[in-house]
Amino acid sequence: QSALTQPASVSGSPGQSITISCTGTSSDVGGYNYVSWYQQHPGKAPKLMIYDVSNRPSGVSNRFSGSKSGNTASLTISGLQAEDEADYYCSSYTSSSSGVFGGGTKLTVL
Amino acid sequence: EVQLVESGGGLVKPGGSLRLSCAASGFTFSSYSMSWVRRAPGKGLEWVSSISSSSSDIYYADSLKGRFTISRDNAKNSLYLQMNSLRAEDTAVYYCARLVAPYHFDFWGQGTLVTVSS
Repeated sequence: QSALTQPASVSGSPGQSITISCTGTSSDVGGYNYVSWYQQHPGKAPKLMIYDVSNRPSGVSNRFSGSKSGNTASLTISGLQAEDEADYYCSSYTSSSSGVFGGGTKLTVL
Repeated sequence: EVQLVESGGGLVKPGGSLRLSCAASGFTFSSYSMSWVRRAPGKGLEWVSSISSSSSDIYYADSLKGRFTISRDNAKNSLYLQMNSLRAEDTAVYYCARLVAPYHFDFWGQGTLVTVSS
Protein backbone atom coordinates (compact mmCIF):
# COMPACT_ATOMS: atom_id res chain seq x y z
CA GLN A 1 0.00 0.00 0.00
CA SER A 2 1.35 3.43 -0.91
CA ALA A 3 1.20 6.08 1.79
CA LEU A 4 -1.38 8.82 1.44
CA THR A 5 0.07 12.18 0.39
CA GLN A 6 0.22 15.00 2.93
CA PRO A 7 2.20 18.26 2.85
CA ALA A 8 5.36 17.92 4.88
CA SER A 9 4.67 21.09 6.82
CA VAL A 10 2.14 23.84 7.34
CA SER A 11 2.23 26.87 9.58
CA GLY A 12 -0.08 29.54 10.91
CA SER A 13 -0.32 32.25 13.50
CA PRO A 14 -2.42 32.01 16.66
CA GLY A 15 -6.08 32.59 15.89
CA GLN A 16 -5.75 31.74 12.21
CA SER A 17 -7.13 28.69 10.43
CA ILE A 18 -5.09 26.10 8.59
CA THR A 19 -6.01 23.14 6.42
CA ILE A 20 -4.01 19.95 5.94
CA SER A 21 -4.76 17.88 2.86
CA CYS A 22 -4.55 14.11 2.47
CA THR A 23 -4.62 12.71 -1.05
CA GLY A 24 -5.15 9.08 -1.90
CA THR A 25 -6.87 7.08 -4.60
CA SER A 26 -10.25 5.58 -5.36
CA SER A 27 -9.05 2.45 -3.56
CA ASP A 28 -8.74 4.24 -0.25
CA VAL A 29 -9.74 7.87 0.47
CA GLY A 30 -12.02 8.18 -2.52
CA GLY A 31 -13.68 4.83 -2.10
CA TYR A 32 -14.74 4.96 1.54
CA ASN A 33 -15.89 7.47 4.13
CA TYR A 34 -13.41 6.03 6.60
CA VAL A 35 -10.74 8.69 6.86
CA SER A 36 -9.36 9.49 10.29
CA TRP A 37 -6.89 12.06 11.59
CA TYR A 38 -4.37 11.78 14.43
CA GLN A 39 -2.38 14.34 16.38
CA GLN A 40 1.01 13.40 17.79
CA HIS A 41 3.12 15.56 20.06
CA PRO A 42 6.82 14.71 20.42
CA GLY A 43 7.37 11.66 22.57
CA LYS A 44 3.65 11.08 23.00
CA ALA A 45 1.17 8.57 21.66
CA PRO A 46 -1.00 9.55 18.70
CA LYS A 47 -4.45 10.90 19.56
CA LEU A 48 -7.57 10.43 17.46
CA MET A 49 -8.95 13.81 16.35
CA ILE A 50 -11.40 12.96 13.55
CA TYR A 51 -12.92 9.68 12.38
CA ASP A 52 -15.18 8.66 9.49
CA VAL A 53 -14.17 11.83 7.60
CA SER A 54 -15.85 14.40 9.81
CA ASN A 55 -16.77 13.00 13.22
CA ARG A 56 -15.09 14.27 16.36
CA PRO A 57 -14.54 11.98 19.34
CA SER A 58 -15.81 13.13 22.69
CA GLY A 59 -13.39 15.61 24.24
CA VAL A 60 -11.85 16.87 21.00
CA SER A 61 -12.23 20.60 20.46
CA ASN A 62 -14.74 21.74 17.85
CA ARG A 63 -11.91 23.81 16.38
CA PHE A 64 -10.97 20.60 14.58
CA SER A 65 -13.06 19.60 11.56
CA GLY A 66 -12.72 17.17 8.68
CA SER A 67 -14.07 16.90 5.16
CA LYS A 68 -13.55 15.01 1.94
CA SER A 69 -13.89 15.65 -1.76
CA GLY A 70 -13.08 12.91 -4.22
CA ASN A 71 -9.73 11.35 -3.40
CA THR A 72 -8.67 14.17 -1.06
CA ALA A 73 -9.55 14.54 2.61
CA SER A 74 -8.84 17.64 4.67
CA LEU A 75 -8.35 18.54 8.31
CA THR A 76 -9.07 22.14 9.26
CA ILE A 77 -7.98 23.67 12.53
CA SER A 78 -9.57 27.01 13.32
CA GLY A 79 -8.57 29.49 15.99
CA LEU A 80 -5.04 28.08 16.00
CA GLN A 81 -3.47 27.72 19.46
CA ALA A 82 0.09 27.07 20.55
CA GLU A 83 -0.81 23.61 21.83
CA ASP A 84 -1.96 22.61 18.35
CA GLU A 85 1.70 22.49 17.26
CA ALA A 86 2.26 18.80 16.54
CA ASP A 87 2.49 16.22 13.78
CA TYR A 88 -0.77 15.28 12.09
CA TYR A 89 -1.49 12.06 10.23
CA CYS A 90 -4.41 11.00 8.09
CA SER A 91 -5.41 7.39 7.68
CA SER A 92 -7.85 5.57 5.44
CA TYR A 93 -9.48 2.20 5.07
CA THR A 94 -8.46 0.50 1.84
CA SER A 95 -9.84 -1.99 -0.65
CA SER A 96 -7.48 -4.56 0.87
CA SER A 97 -9.53 -4.45 4.08
CA SER A 98 -6.57 -2.89 5.82
CA GLY A 99 -5.40 0.65 6.25
CA VAL A 100 -2.83 3.17 5.22
CA PHE A 101 -1.43 6.31 6.83
CA GLY A 102 -0.31 9.54 5.29
CA GLY A 103 3.29 10.63 5.51
CA GLY A 104 2.48 13.16 8.21
CA THR A 105 2.38 16.96 8.38
CA LYS A 106 4.29 19.06 10.88
CA LEU A 107 2.18 21.98 12.05
CA THR A 108 4.09 24.99 13.32
CA VAL A 109 2.28 27.73 15.21
CA LEU A 110 4.21 30.90 14.54
CA GLU B 1 -10.39 4.12 31.74
CA VAL B 2 -8.98 2.43 28.67
CA GLN B 3 -5.31 1.55 29.09
CA LEU B 4 -2.91 -0.10 26.67
CA VAL B 5 0.58 -0.85 27.95
CA GLU B 6 3.23 -2.20 25.59
CA SER B 7 6.31 -4.12 26.65
CA GLY B 8 9.03 -6.28 25.20
CA GLY B 9 10.99 -3.75 23.20
CA GLY B 10 14.75 -3.49 23.33
CA LEU B 11 18.00 -3.84 21.42
CA VAL B 12 18.31 -6.81 19.09
CA LYS B 13 20.85 -7.76 16.44
CA PRO B 14 19.89 -7.97 12.76
CA GLY B 15 18.33 -11.34 12.05
CA GLY B 16 17.15 -11.68 15.63
CA SER B 17 13.68 -12.01 17.09
CA LEU B 18 11.58 -10.14 19.59
CA ARG B 19 8.09 -10.56 20.99
CA LEU B 20 6.08 -7.49 21.90
CA SER B 21 3.15 -7.59 24.29
CA CYS B 22 0.30 -5.20 24.92
CA ALA B 23 -1.72 -5.45 28.14
CA ALA B 24 -5.22 -4.02 27.82
CA SER B 25 -7.56 -2.87 30.57
CA GLY B 26 -10.63 -0.70 31.08
CA PHE B 27 -12.71 -2.23 28.29
CA THR B 28 -14.00 -5.59 27.04
CA PHE B 29 -10.86 -6.64 25.17
CA SER B 30 -12.52 -9.61 23.48
CA SER B 31 -14.99 -7.31 21.72
CA TYR B 32 -12.48 -5.25 19.79
CA SER B 33 -10.09 -5.65 16.92
CA MET B 34 -6.56 -4.57 17.74
CA SER B 35 -3.58 -3.33 15.77
CA TRP B 36 0.12 -2.60 15.87
CA VAL B 37 1.40 0.65 14.36
CA ARG B 38 5.01 1.79 14.30
CA ARG B 39 6.93 5.00 13.84
CA ALA B 40 10.54 4.82 12.73
CA PRO B 41 12.93 7.62 13.74
CA GLY B 42 12.34 10.67 11.58
CA LYS B 43 9.49 9.01 9.72
CA GLY B 44 5.72 8.84 9.90
CA LEU B 45 3.26 6.34 11.28
CA GLU B 46 3.11 2.99 9.54
CA TRP B 47 0.36 0.44 10.04
CA VAL B 48 1.90 -2.97 10.80
CA SER B 49 -0.85 -5.49 11.46
CA SER B 50 -4.44 -5.94 12.67
CA ILE B 51 -6.35 -8.82 14.24
CA SER B 52 -10.09 -9.20 14.70
CA SER B 53 -11.69 -9.79 18.08
CA SER B 54 -11.83 -13.58 17.65
CA SER B 55 -8.53 -13.81 15.72
CA SER B 56 -10.46 -15.00 12.66
CA ASP B 57 -9.21 -12.15 10.48
CA ILE B 58 -5.58 -11.09 10.41
CA TYR B 59 -3.93 -8.55 8.15
CA TYR B 60 -0.33 -7.46 7.64
CA ALA B 61 1.38 -4.67 5.78
CA ASP B 62 2.70 -6.10 2.53
CA SER B 63 6.29 -5.27 3.45
CA LEU B 64 6.15 -7.40 6.60
CA LYS B 65 4.43 -10.59 5.55
CA GLY B 66 6.22 -13.71 6.61
CA ARG B 67 8.39 -12.03 9.25
CA PHE B 68 5.84 -10.73 11.77
CA THR B 69 2.99 -12.62 13.43
CA ILE B 70 0.18 -10.95 15.36
CA SER B 71 -1.83 -12.86 17.96
CA ARG B 72 -4.00 -12.27 20.99
CA ASP B 73 -5.13 -14.01 24.17
CA ASN B 74 -8.57 -12.77 25.13
CA ALA B 75 -8.41 -14.61 28.46
CA LYS B 76 -5.33 -12.58 29.35
CA ASN B 77 -6.50 -9.31 27.72
CA SER B 78 -3.27 -9.28 25.77
CA LEU B 79 -2.07 -8.59 22.25
CA TYR B 80 1.23 -9.84 20.87
CA LEU B 81 3.57 -9.24 17.95
CA GLN B 82 6.21 -11.85 17.20
CA MET B 83 8.93 -10.27 15.09
CA ASN B 84 11.47 -12.50 13.33
CA SER B 85 14.35 -11.85 10.93
CA LEU B 86 14.56 -8.29 12.17
CA ARG B 87 16.25 -5.67 10.03
CA ALA B 88 17.68 -2.24 10.76
CA GLU B 89 14.65 -0.69 9.06
CA ASP B 90 12.38 -2.29 11.67
CA THR B 91 13.84 0.08 14.26
CA ALA B 92 10.86 2.06 15.53
CA VAL B 93 8.51 2.77 18.39
CA TYR B 94 5.77 0.16 18.22
CA TYR B 95 2.30 1.18 19.36
CA CYS B 96 -0.61 -1.01 20.29
CA ALA B 97 -3.95 0.54 19.29
CA ARG B 98 -7.60 -0.35 19.61
CA LEU B 99 -9.24 -0.59 16.20
CA VAL B 100 -12.84 0.45 15.77
CA ALA B 101 -14.46 -1.05 12.70
CA PRO B 102 -14.11 -0.50 9.97
CA TYR B 103 -11.08 1.61 10.45
CA HIS B 104 -9.97 4.07 13.05
CA PHE B 105 -7.79 3.78 16.13
CA ASP B 106 -9.46 5.31 19.15
CA PHE B 107 -6.98 4.46 21.91
CA TRP B 108 -3.21 4.05 21.77
CA GLY B 109 -0.54 2.83 24.13
CA GLN B 110 2.60 4.84 24.87
CA GLY B 111 4.73 2.60 22.70
CA THR B 112 7.78 0.40 23.10
CA LEU B 113 11.07 1.06 21.35
CA VAL B 114 12.63 -1.63 19.20
CA THR B 115 16.20 -1.02 18.06
CA VAL B 116 17.78 -3.36 15.54
CA SER B 117 21.52 -2.85 15.47
CA SER B 118 24.73 -4.83 15.62
